[in-house]
Amino acid sequence: AQRVTQPEKLLSVFKGAPVELKCNYSYSGSPELFWYVQYSRQRLQLLLRHISRESIKGFTADLNKGETSFHLKKPFAQEEDSAMYYCALSGDGGSNYKLTFGKGTLLTVNP
Amino acid sequence: GAVVSQHPSWVICKSGTSVKIECRSLDFQATTMFWYRQFPKQSLMLMATSNEGSKATYEQGVEKDKFLINHASLTLSTLTVTSAHPEDSSFYICSALDPNEQFFGPGTRLTVL
Repeated sequence: AQRVTQPEKLLSVFKGAPVELKCNYSYSGSPELFWYVQYSRQRLQLLLRHISRESIKGFTADLNKGETSFHLKKPFAQEEDSAMYYCALSGDGGSNYKLTFGKGTLLTVNP
Repeated sequence: GAVVSQHPSWVICKSGTSVKIECRSLDFQATTMFWYRQFPKQSLMLMATSNEGSKATYEQGVEKDKFLINHASLTLSTLTVTSAHPEDSSFYICSALDPNEQFFGPGTRLTVL
């Protein structure tokens, strides 16, 4: 069975501070990992996926297979980063496209 | 980017009635769509995978006869909650695959009285 764990329900930081949202996963095969973001009153949207190795809106995430983690990081948080963040996993290297979501972390960036 | 719509955005119905929710891909064709359910302050849980022209694939624990899914065209999938009861009240979200990324609809809030 595949599982995604986001240990923090809430995370509050000040503007300009570094932020790290934690994500750990459990999957026996080759997973593809994603971060999705949901801004207030908006729909869920893809932030980044590990295979693309991109930096989106200053966020990065590295897949650590040894620690089965995919933490999301940003060196300097901005107020507009305040949102709900979901880590998600797709099994079989992403070929089946089915997503298992973590419970989400609500990030608040204070001025 | 690809746009997915859902209709209605919210619905209130009486216990025992059926409710249909539509999911449309507006600017692309989607052979595969997904239906999720989200309880308050909880994560999205995949209910089923909807494939155009074939039967939906349901996740373990999801009642096929209660949550009927039809994907009759490349731009439309429907979820019908049959004989709805208060415990079916939830937020239902669909997504459409284009071509290897899921684009999400805005969700439908169902309240069963």
